[in-house]
Amino acid sequence: DAGVIQSPRHEVTEMGQEVTLRCKPISGHNSLFWYRQTMMRGLELLIYFNNNVPIDDSGMPEDRFSAKMPNASFSTLKIQPSEPRDSAVYFCASSLAGPTDTQYFGPGTRLTVL
Amino acid sequence: AQSVTQLGSHVSVSEGALVLLRCNYSSSVPPYLFWYVQYPNQGLQLLLKYTTGATLVKGINGFEAEFKKSETSFHLTKPSAHMSDAAEYFCDVSDNTSGTYKYIFGTGTRLKVLA
Repeated sequence: DAGVIQSPRHEVTEMGQEVTLRCKPISGHNSLFWYRQTMMRGLELLIYFNNNVPIDDSGMPEDRFSAKMPNASFSTLKIQPSEPRDSAVYFCASSLAGPTDTQYFGPGTRLTVL
Repeated sequence: AQSVTQLGSHVSVSEGALVLLRCNYSSSVPPYLFWYVQYPNQGLQLLLKYTTGATLVKGINGFEAEFKKSETSFHLTKPSAHMSDAAEYFCDVSDNTSGTYKYIFGTGTRLKVLA
C-alpha cells in the first residue's frame, strides 16, 4: 500500500514568494497532521484535521500560514509570503483514528527560502 | 501531556551494548505513549506504542519500552545495539489534559553506535 505522499520533496524559493506544499494521506485514514521540523525548534505540530475539518490550528505560526483539506485524500499547506525563517522540513502524517493512534509520516518537504 | 522530556539529546553506545533512551512526561490522566525513529532524510516511523494493558511493550527491531505510571516514564531499551540503530528517536505522548487529545513530542535523542 502507498504510504503518505508529499510533494514536492524539495522546494527552493525566494523571500516573498508563495509556497504550496501538498499531501495525500493513506486511504481510509480520517486524521491528518502537518508538522514542521527545524534544528532549533525540533518537531512542531502546526495543524490537525479530523474528517477534513481543522480541529487544532494553535501551532500555526502566523497568518502567513494556511492549511486546507478539501477532501479526504488531499491537503495543502500554504505560506504567503514566505520568509527565510520558514526554511524547514515540513512533514504530513495521517492516522486512522485521531491523536490516540499511530501516525504514519510522509517523507517530508525540505523548504529553503532564500 | 503538558510536557515530554527526553534526557540526553545525544547518546553514544558501543555496538553490542545496551541502549537506554529516557522519556518522562507530565500528565494528570492516563496517556497514550509512542516511540518513533527517524533515519536521515526520512519521515518518522513507529517503533512501538502503549495504549492500555501490559506495561511492557515490544516493538520492531528488538526495541521495547516499559510504562511506569508512578515514575511517569516510558524509557526505550534494546539489549544489544546494532550499527543500523543509529538514528534519531522521538518520544510522543497523547492525552486529553487540555480537553482534547493532542500529541506532544519530545525534542529527540540522536543515537550514535560506535564500532
